[in-house]
Amino acid sequence: QVTLRESGPALVKPTQTLTLTCTFSGFSLSTSAMCVSWIRQPPGKALEWLARIDWEDDKYYSTSLKTRLTISKDTSKNQVVLTMTNMDPVDTATYYCARDDTVRGRGFDPWGQGTLVTVSS
Amino acid sequence: QSVLTQPPSVSGAPGQRVTISCTGSSSNIGAGYEVHWYQQLPGTAPKLLIYVNSNRPSGVPDRFSGSKSGTSASLVITGLQAEDEADYYCQSYDSSLSDSRVFGTGTKVTVL
Repeated sequence: QVTLRESGPALVKPTQTLTLTCTFSGFSLSTSAMCVSWIRQPPGKALEWLARIDWEDDKYYSTSLKTRLTISKDTSKNQVVLTMTNMDPVDTATYYCARDDTVRGRGFDPWGQGTLVTVSS
Repeated sequence: QSVLTQPPSVSGAPGQRVTISCTGSSSNIGAGYEVHWYQQLPGTAPKLLIYVNSNRPSGVPDRFSGSKSGTSASLVITGLQAEDEADYYCQSYDSSLSDSRVFGTGTKVTVL
């Protein structure tokens, strides 16, 4: 069974850097075709894809946010870490990680439960 | 920055058929990229509902079906049930954004 769980601070101040960790089980990011993506959803708004890391450690970012994002993985710990710099209140959202099964043609499946991050002073 | 457009809401009585459209362009759906659909029940994470345009994962009822044509895709719920009340999102890829994953604007389905 594949599961993912996000962890990180619930509250960050404007201009701070956000660090989120996705801990997963049931698959390995060293296996060919495996990827993990981060996606966010502001309250009451649509989903927005942020970043992806794949089994070869290649990294891809949203073009609108790429200057602020860094994604990395620790294969031994089954973790993917996302950092977002210079946080702003508009970055308040629920942040999800998901197994990105695009290479095998299955989209994002499954998703973690999400973690709500509020940006406020 | 949703590049895929969906109607904000659709509604129907139990047992009715509803259709949700997902309109893209020549750089995403029209370029041949596959479309996936997700269901987000209130207060929960999205769940994969349809993959590669028209395929249902194991456990998804067959009242959900998907299709793709040209620069658009559609999700149809046949025989609407109360538990189908949720938000639905389409997702594809866009060549103008370095093959980034892109989502639709989302559609709220209300069961009357």
